[in-house]
Amino acid sequence: DQQVKQNSPSLSVQEGRISILNCDYTNSMFDYFLWYKKYPAEGPTFLISISSIKDKNEDGRFTVFLNKSAKHLSLHIVPSQPGDSAVYFCAASAGQSGGGADGLTFGKGTHLIIQP
Amino acid sequence: DTEVTQTPKHLVMGMTNKKSLKCEQHMGHRAMYWYKQKAKKPPELMFVYSYEKLSINESVPSRFSPECPNSSLLNLHLHALQPEDSALYLCASSQGGTGTRNRMNTEAFFGQGTRLTVV
Repeated sequence: DQQVKQNSPSLSVQEGRISILNCDYTNSMFDYFLWYKKYPAEGPTFLISISSIKDKNEDGRFTVFLNKSAKHLSLHIVPSQPGDSAVYFCAASAGQSGGGADGLTFGKGTHLIIQP
Repeated sequence: DTEVTQTPKHLVMGMTNKKSLKCEQHMGHRAMYWYKQKAKKPPELMFVYSYEKLSINESVPSRFSPECPNSSLLNLHLHALQPEDSALYLCASSQGGTGTRNRMNTEAFFGQGTRLTVV
């Protein structure tokens, strides 16, 4: 039972254009969402997050949109750069313990390839 | 210092060996995590320590034994592993937060991982 789904295993985008990575979730208890970027043989690197009380969060070239009714979020990267080529994981957490330390549930990742 | 440091980077062990993975952070985070990642799969949560106490164990076999000696250190003791336990083991830490509404600072920072091979 996959609670966080990234249905596109890979995505190819031309340099300078917009990259849009999508993520769907099924657990209505999730209230915090994060995107991580991962290069081979490295740990995931935090990119951007969004709380369920918001529908948009922007940080430089990265914007995350959250549609709670559709249980869908997306990561927009604009403009896309060659260094953005990596695997992007969507992750979610639920406010179970109240202490914020709930651990993350990850999607399977989308391999983003930026073409020159 | 926003680093989570894991040692060793690579580890090969036999099925009868006992070894330990180590993780260290000096960000003052009070929550630390172990994740396991198999090739081409997402990281899967194993354990969560909150304020140095084990708060989540995701039904991990007892051949994996976590330990949190202090707020900066997290160990994972390994004993009698199986070849299918070969994976990348990731440590992470986060502030922990003080309530479900205070979530903006609960981003988890990950270490580079330990690539474990069980032979």
